[in-house]
Amino acid sequence: DAKTTQPNSMESNEEEPVHLPCNHSTISGTDYIHWYRQLPSQGPEYVIHGLTSNVNNRMASLAIAEDRKSSTLILHRATLRDAAVYYCILRDVGQGAQKLVFGQGTRLTINP
Amino acid sequence: DGGITQSPKYLFRKEGQNVTLSCEQNLNHDAMYWYRQDPGQGLRLIYYSQIVNDFQKGDIAEGYSVSREKKESFPLTVTSAQKNPTAFYLCASSIIPNTEAFFGQGTRLTVV
Repeated sequence: DAKTTQPNSMESNEEEPVHLPCNHSTISGTDYIHWYRQLPSQGPEYVIHGLTSNVNNRMASLAIAEDRKSSTLILHRATLRDAAVYYCILRDVGQGAQKLVFGQGTRLTINP
Repeated sequence: DGGITQSPKYLFRKEGQNVTLSCEQNLNHDAMYWYRQDPGQGLRLIYYSQIVNDFQKGDIAEGYSVSREKKESFPLTVTSAQKNPTAFYLCASSIIPNTEAFFGQGTRLTVV
């Protein structure tokens, strides 16, 4: 399985943009880049995903490097509710076996 | 409402006893997953299933067993062979081929 590398922790201020990086240098052509976040004592929730082009939704934006070896999750205006652990995952939808493997994630702290 | 339900939220068992954690989904998803999370750590995959009557071991399957007799249900049994069963257990489901995975709220198992 292709792996991802994220910083262990990041800190930002409320109402400021946050850029969460993810490296995935062994990504294959059929791997989608997924982001999930987990609030304390809850199950993870889906944030966004993409293949090659940048993606936007109501929660965040996903910027994907041209060579696809890295990506950045962008929270445009962080709130205290965005404090969570963010996981970057590669998901190969070209294979039947979809293990959905999580790494350690980035713990995001938002300062008021 | 459609979703994925884990029960109970908290579970206490004596050491040496087997215990079964429930996971039910009404999303008509083919794939289901079980994860274990220890304090301050990421999610580790225990078992996953792509279809009824079929399942595969994840990264930490020893001491656990599962069944998939119905599409909607994927119960996890923590056996006495699991040396450190106290943890937060999360169940998830997704469509194959997938985009988004949905997680339950988790079961916190404490073995005393």
